[in-house]
Amino acid sequence: GAGVSQSPSNKVTEKGKDVELRCDPISGHTALYWYRQSLGQGLEFLIYFQGNSAPDKSGLPSDRFSAERTGGSVSTLTIQRTQQEDSAVYLCASSLDLTSSDTQYFGPGTRLTVL
Amino acid sequence: AQSVTQLDSQVPVFEEAPVELRCNYSSSVSVYLFWYVQYPNQGLQLLLKYLSGSTLVKGINGFEAEFNKSQTSFHLRKPSVHISDTAEYFCAVRSRGNTGFQKLVFGTGTRLLVSP
Repeated sequence: GAGVSQSPSNKVTEKGKDVELRCDPISGHTALYWYRQSLGQGLEFLIYFQGNSAPDKSGLPSDRFSAERTGGSVSTLTIQRTQQEDSAVYLCASSLDLTSSDTQYFGPGTRLTVL
Repeated sequence: AQSVTQLDSQVPVFEEAPVELRCNYSSSVSVYLFWYVQYPNQGLQLLLKYLSGSTLVKGINGFEAEFNKSQTSFHLRKPSVHISDTAEYFCAVRSRGNTGFQKLVFGTGTRLLVSP
């Protein structure tokens, strides 16, 4: 079946602009996760959703970051007033549920470049 | 809280040679352990995971890893690598806690470079 898809694959924006990154999880997966992968760094956890709710937003790096998930499926990560340090690859993953042993399936990522 | 250390940022190896990618973790509770691979311009793909039982776990593409509780390690091995194994490899841990959300914690990755 189809895997996790993300769009756009690449996004170049100017400092100060807002961007929206989209994630379409595997059908039937109730849990969805966002990560950030900066150059030379590991993956930094940002936020997760179980169904439509995002119980814990503490992983978001600043209040310029927000995320929502509508209808228990597609999720959007929004970065307002982008800064150069926001440049990174943003990865989305989904799993059947939040069980710790569950495999997370990753999308190809969105490479964000802030000029 | 958990942490993962991948001491080798890059491992160069010749084709058909064996390879070991090291992973050590720190946690005050029991964990599940994972290895993911990331090919250029792609997302992460699960290679293998340790949940319980036998400490030697076999994964895809001929990779295997051994969980060593006393040394808090989960090293990844392959007896004979191919050019196509060139990629970034990430070790990750997740607490076995059954209450509340347990996030997946990643190491910084090891780039495996296989040359002819």
